[in-house]
Amino acid sequence: EDQVTQSPEALRLQEGESSSLNCSYTVSGLRGLFWYRQDPGKGPEFLFTLYSAGEEKEKERLKATLTKKESFLHITAPKPEDSATYLCAVQAGVSGSEKLVFGKGTKLTVNP
Amino acid sequence: KAGVTQTPRYLIKTRGQQVTLSCSPISGHRSVSWYQQTPGQGLQFLFEYFSETQRNKGNFPGRFSGRQFSNSRSEMNVSTLELGDSALYLCASSFLGGLSSYNEQFFGPGTRLTVL
Repeated sequence: EDQVTQSPEALRLQEGESSSLNCSYTVSGLRGLFWYRQDPGKGPEFLFTLYSAGEEKEKERLKATLTKKESFLHITAPKPEDSATYLCAVQAGVSGSEKLVFGKGTKLTVNP
Repeated sequence: KAGVTQTPRYLIKTRGQQVTLSCSPISGHRSVSWYQQTPGQGLQFLFEYFSETQRNKGNFPGRFSGRQFSNSRSEMNVSTLELGDSALYLCASSFLGGLSSYNEQFFGPGTRLTVL
């Protein structure tokens, strides 16, 4: 069964204190790994898609990387507005299957 | 370009009732997926529709059903509501769907369902 585990469950940082969030996965036939950001009361907001081991993508203070068993979301010099829950999801299985399997998320709080 | 819209945003129902939620995907998107989000279980896949056909289904009871119309709009129905159905129901649309291997799903704001 496809599984996605995110750690830590919650993370508190001071503004400017860089850190990383982890997403480990066990799937058969990974077709894509997705990172989303979710603010309270809102739907997830798409951040990145990674398709193969070694791939990296960046957006402002965020950088996502992918290995064969896990992905990291690196946050450099975070600001309070980066506070949110970050969700990792994998798309696996045969082509044409749009099911995403999500981890439970990491709740990030950045204090000023 | 308008994003995914969901209506209503909030619903309060009582046990035993049924409810219908609506989702309008981004213009041009053909695939619509539904998810249930609860604090304990996180985001769980319900089902996915493409070209009016259900293509994938998660592990939910038959009380949960859906459909998709020719304009790609989708509805989700839950019959005989239970207290445990209280959740945020999210709809996501993607552009390519079909035989494409890689899709980015864009989520709507969700419908918050409370069952009393």
